[in-house]
Amino acid sequence: QSVLTQPPSVSAAPGQRVTISCTGSSSNLGAGYDVHWYQHLPGAAPKLLIYANTNRPSGVPDRFSASKSATSASLAITGLQAEDEADYYCQSYDSSLGAWVFGGGTELTVL
Amino acid sequence: EVQLVESGGGLIQPGGSLRLSCAASGFTVSDNYMSWVRQAPGKGLEWVSILYSNGKAYYAESLKGRFTISRDSSQNTLYLQMKSLRADDTAVYFCARGVGTFEDVDFDFWGQGTLVTVSS
Repeated sequence: QSVLTQPPSVSAAPGQRVTISCTGSSSNLGAGYDVHWYQHLPGAAPKLLIYANTNRPSGVPDRFSASKSATSASLAITGLQAEDEADYYCQSYDSSLGAWVFGGGTELTVL
Repeated sequence: EVQLVESGGGLIQPGGSLRLSCAASGFTVSDNYMSWVRQAPGKGLEWVSILYSNGKAYYAESLKGRFTISRDSSQNTLYLQMKSLRADDTAVYFCARGVGTFEDVDFDFWGQGTLVTVSS
């Protein structure tokens, strides 16, 4: 059981918008620690998608955006493309555990 | 170009030991935070360990005492020494570069991973 809770799966049609939530607590997101998002295709290296709550690394399309509020965060993907089909993870630090933590992951299906 | 290449995985019997390597290029391992993250079959990502540039190391609570993270500056390589391996250590092990300050760290570059299978 992850301390960061994500929906197991989401789906949407090409061109549509989808959001993935990440719910934490007062010892991680609520404590002010940043949240980061990763895209992971099976058999590949995970890829940093969003860092420090809202920032996109160079090369990440602006179709990807994120927000953070209190104990939760959200990743939004607009203009869905078939290539977006992947697993998405949020990540932060938890002061109670003294550990870096990942959400359980969300499988995105592009219908 | 930043590149991370893991090696050293394989089939190991329960109770055995294994050392994973992560060869880095395009940056200096000892100047950065470096981490190991694993993914068990059918499961999500799980943080394993981090080595700060100042030499301090931290581990997931459940792995303390069995896993040791280290680096070799001359080889620009990160290591993970694993002992007393158990079936639930079976996973793909990724190394990743960390960016940030103390606890606020994200992992901006990852390797492709190396598979460790613990089975008799």
